[in-house]
Amino acid sequence: GAGVSQSPSNKVTEKGKDVELRCDPISGHTALYWYRQRLGQGLEFLIYFQGNSAPDKSGLPSDRFSAERTGESVSTLTIQRTQQEDSAVYLCASSLRRDRANVLTFGAGSRLTVL
Amino acid sequence: AQRVTQPEKLLSVFKGAPVELKCNYSYSGSPELFWYVQYSRQRLQLLLRHISRESIKGFTADLNKGETSFHLKKPFAQEEDSAMYYCALNIRAQKLVFGQGTRLTINP
Repeated sequence: GAGVSQSPSNKVTEKGKDVELRCDPISGHTALYWYRQRLGQGLEFLIYFQGNSAPDKSGLPSDRFSAERTGESVSTLTIQRTQQEDSAVYLCASSLRRDRANVLTFGAGSRLTVL
Repeated sequence: AQRVTQPEKLLSVFKGAPVELKCNYSYSGSPELFWYVQYSRQRLQLLLRHISRESIKGFTADLNKGETSFHLKKPFAQEEDSAMYYCALNIRAQKLVFGQGTRLTINP
């Protein structure tokens, strides 16, 4: 596709339910990132995938959060047993190069509301 | 610890006035810094990066290693510059860490 696609664009769920957020990066982009943006806050790094290397999961806030990526394509961020503090916009970004020219292209985000 | 600090959450200036959005970083390696911008109802996008030493939409940013800063400047603000601005640090040429962001409002 022409850009980074994320779905759903909006998700409202009840506390305790599991949610899955999907990211379809730009074709050929080897690096993929997930960030969280809470209301009034900055961008919080969650996880980073680069090719076939082990992902950098250092930003995941708890073991309720997990993410997978199949090769260099789609990624899924899963949040289990959602809590109200999980409410945020979840942004995905992809990057062509893993070097000094590490320019990220962002998706439109998935807005999650936990009631 | 690797950190990016943007001390101002909100900044408001009049059209035609100079603008400076502050960014300070903490990093033991050779820093690679970026400014990203998010205009209303648009996606977050790259504005400029220090390695290119470029001027985009009249904005410039100079890396000052002594002060560990990468402030974004524009001599004459325009109304279309109103947006959310994020400073970002590239960690080991891999992970991009962002500051908290500054919401810039240009008043007519």
